[in-house]
Amino acid sequence: EEQLLESGGGLIQPGGSLRLSCAASGFTFSNSAMYWVRQAPGQGLEWVSTITNNGGDTYYADSVKGRFTISRDNSKNTLYLQMNNLKADDTALYYCAKRPPGIRHYFDCWGQGTLVTVSS
Amino acid sequence: QSALTQPASVSGSPGQSITISCTATNSDVAGYIYVSWYQQHPGKAPKLMIYDVSDRPSGVSNRFSGSKSGNTASLTISGLQAEDEADYYCCSYTGRHVWVFGGGTKLTVL
Repeated sequence: EEQLLESGGGLIQPGGSLRLSCAASGFTFSNSAMYWVRQAPGQGLEWVSTITNNGGDTYYADSVKGRFTISRDNSKNTLYLQMNNLKADDTALYYCAKRPPGIRHYFDCWGQGTLVTVSS
Repeated sequence: QSALTQPASVSGSPGQSITISCTATNSDVAGYIYVSWYQQHPGKAPKLMIYDVSDRPSGVSNRFSGSKSGNTASLTISGLQAEDEADYYCCSYTGRHVWVFGGGTKLTVL
């Protein structure tokens, strides 16, 4: 069974940094592009970042560009999101999600999310 | 402001059919051919229900179907059941390595 398990969330002051992790199992991690999607409290879903299967290309939403960095360690089956200069608007439940192998345009597996709260 | 507009809420009685619309307001939404739909129950992770406008993953009930006309995609749920009560989100790939979600629709089963 394909599984994604996020960790690393917590309460952080504005301007602070946090690194999220997403441990993958049940599928060949190195074959799948991976994503971070967030959901502010009571709000909808927002795509945050993408990384290709080999980590060679990364993409970011304008709202986080220059502050967040996505990366992966295929030897550890783990996805990361380094978040710097955090703002109150970054408060959200952060999900990692995977895309099926190949040229696909949807997310077929999601983790349960890790909550990031940015507040003084 | 999302490039995909959904109604905030829809409702229906058990056994009925409902349709949730998702209208692209931005012409950059990749010709709007890569539309997917996700179901989210309270406190749970989103679940893929429809991909590529009208394809259904294995394991998803055939009561769920997707379609598109012009710049509006639709999710139809037939034979409504209590367990279908959830939030539903449409999503589209823009073709520029950017993904956009609709604002979400709360489905209430009366």
